Amino acid sequence: GAGVSQSPSNKVTEKGKDVELRCDPISGHTALYWYRQSLGQGLEFLIYFQGNSAPDKSGLPSDRFSAERTGGSVSTLTIQRTQQEDSAVYLCASSPPGVEQYFGPGTRLTVT
Amino acid sequence: GESVGLHLPTLSVQEGDNSIINCAYSNSASDYFIWYKQESGKGPQFIIDIRSNMDKRQGQRVTVLLNKTVKHLSLQIAATQPGDSAVYFCAEMVGGGSYIPTFGRGTSLIVHP
Repeated sequence: GAGVSQSPSNKVTEKGKDVELRCDPISGHTALYWYRQSLGQGLEFLIYFQGNSAPDKSGLPSDRFSAERTGGSVSTLTIQRTQQEDSAVYLCASSPPGVEQYFGPGTRLTVT
Repeated sequence: GESVGLHLPTLSVQEGDNSIINCAYSNSASDYFIWYKQESGKGPQFIIDIRSNMDKRQGQRVTVLLNKTVKHLSLQIAATQPGDSAVYFCAEMVGGGSYIPTFGRGTSLIVHP
């Protein structure tokens, strides 16, 4: 079946511009996660959605970052006034109830 | 603060050898430990997990060992193949409804044919 998809696969933006990254999770998965991965580093947790509960935003690095999940499915991560340090791969994962997460291919964001 | 880390950033092996990737964790409250494989240009892929009440779990060609006494986790890959070349991440997670994992930095496994 279809896996987690993310768009765009690559995004180049100028410093100060806003960007939106999209995640389409696996149908029926109740949990959705966003992570950030810098070059050669592990995954940094950003935000977690579980069903209709309020999202866990504890990993968002600043108020320039926000995310929403519409209808319990598609999610959008928005970064306002992008900075060069925001350059990274942004990964989305979805999960049925439990431990295993299914990751998308990521969006590589480059801020020039 | 609590952290998950790996002992070796790079591991090179010959095809057919067994590989062992190690991971140290520090949160004694973690309920689950997970290994992920990430190939170049792709998202991580779940390999295997183990609960804190277990000390060993086997999958297809992989075995995860958990030593809670020294807070150590390892992933053993039998008969390593070139397709196993990737970065391997361990992660720990406290259960209870909020399944948010903490990932280690990763170990790069290079398999030479």
